[in-house]
Amino acid sequence: KQEVTQIPAALSVPEGENLVLNCSFTDSAIYNLQWFRQDPGKGLTSLLLIQSSQREQTSGRLNASLDKSSGRSTLYIAASQPGDSATYLCAVTPLTGGGNKLTFGTGTQLKVEL
Amino acid sequence: NAGVTQTPKFRVLKTGQSMTLLCAQDMNHEYMYWYRQDPGMGLRLIHYSVGEGTTAKGEVPDGYNVSRLKKQNFLLGLESAAPSQTSVYFCASKAGMVNTEAFFGQGTRLTVV
Repeated sequence: KQEVTQIPAALSVPEGENLVLNCSFTDSAIYNLQWFRQDPGKGLTSLLLIQSSQREQTSGRLNASLDKSSGRSTLYIAASQPGDSATYLCAVTPLTGGGNKLTFGTGTQLKVEL
Repeated sequence: NAGVTQTPKFRVLKTGQSMTLLCAQDMNHEYMYWYRQDPGMGLRLIHYSVGEGTTAKGEVPDGYNVSRLKKQNFLLGLESAAPSQTSVYFCASKAGMVNTEAFFGQGTRLTVV
């Protein structure tokens, strides 16, 4: 069974710091990995999707990398801002099981302080 | 740009009552999903659908039923609510191709007392 882990569960950093969020998964047989942002009381917003054949994807201050063979992904946030405060979730789409279902990690709650 | 819309946003039920959560998407997506989110457990898949008229069980289907009579709508039903079903429910949709993003609704916060 695919398991997705995100460490740490919570992170607090000062504004302006570059930071890295980690995601690991136990089964490398995946189509892709997706990073989401969730604000309190809100739904999930997709940030980046990395296909299994790709090594990284970039969007603005965000860069996500994927090392499928080792079962790891990182989300790099450059020059963090208070508006980046949210919970960040990663999810993989396994090759097996059908339905293109997502298996989620439990998230990293990020707080960027002034 | 409505995207994925969930109705209602909040609901309080008494144990044993029934209710239906509605999810509607306007992106012509083939795949739709219902997840529940609980503290410390992340999002878990309840049921999903790969197209109109089809449904399948996810990781935690017990106590729930679903229907996808129209492509744009995916309904989640609780026939006899239990306190263990207190959770935040999210609907999501994806296009039919593999490497496409999932879009989520804003969630329904359900409390069963």
